Amino acid sequence: GQQLNQSPQSMFIQEGEDVSMNCTSSSIFNTWLWYKQDPGEGPVLLIALYKAGELTSNGRLTAQFGITRKDSFLNISASIPSDVGIYFCAGLGIQGAQKLVFGQGTRLTINP
Amino acid sequence: ETGVTQTPRHLVMGMTNKKSLKCEQHLGHNAMYWYKQSAKKPLELMFVYNFKEQTENNSVPSRFSPECPNSSHLFLHLHTLQPEDSALYLCASSQETAQETQYFGPGTRLLVL
Repeated sequence: GQQLNQSPQSMFIQEGEDVSMNCTSSSIFNTWLWYKQDPGEGPVLLIALYKAGELTSNGRLTAQFGITRKDSFLNISASIPSDVGIYFCAGLGIQGAQKLVFGQGTRLTINP
Repeated sequence: ETGVTQTPRHLVMGMTNKKSLKCEQHLGHNAMYWYKQSAKKPLELMFVYNFKEQTENNSVPSRFSPECPNSSHLFLHLHTLQPEDSALYLCASSQETAQETQYFGPGTRLLVL
């Protein structure tokens, strides 16, 4: 079945640093989504990407839909303490019942 | 604010208990989902409902029984669970199952003793 490989699994950075994480797959996806999950809460949608090559920003967050449709990355600039959490990528494929496939998550920890 | 609420937020139950999880969405969506999130595992899709009809059951054990009385409400009835069923159970909704953007509730943290 379709799988997403998300990396890194965890990151430990200093406040103010930029962050980059990515998801790759051997399958083609029509849509890429990036979610953030705070402890004890459900995932919250950050950015949605619908077209290969698309680059979209949401404040300090920037995400891109890879041109091959098999990857996506998320960048966070000038990290702040509230960026702490788990970031998930998710892809919507081109076959079946449009099932959303999730990556394993990237746990971000920020040292003040 | 996602417009998807879940109750209870936390639940502790014994293996012989029967309990139910409730999800309500205020977004006017037609599709609702149950996911299971265990530590160090990707989100696992359990059930999908579209216009109150179950369209997907991802080989979930029968001790989990979903119910969707209308497009705004989704229940997960729990019966004779096992300790390995302890997890965060997340509800989500989207406009239609073919619609890509799913909005999640805050989840119910379940502990089975």
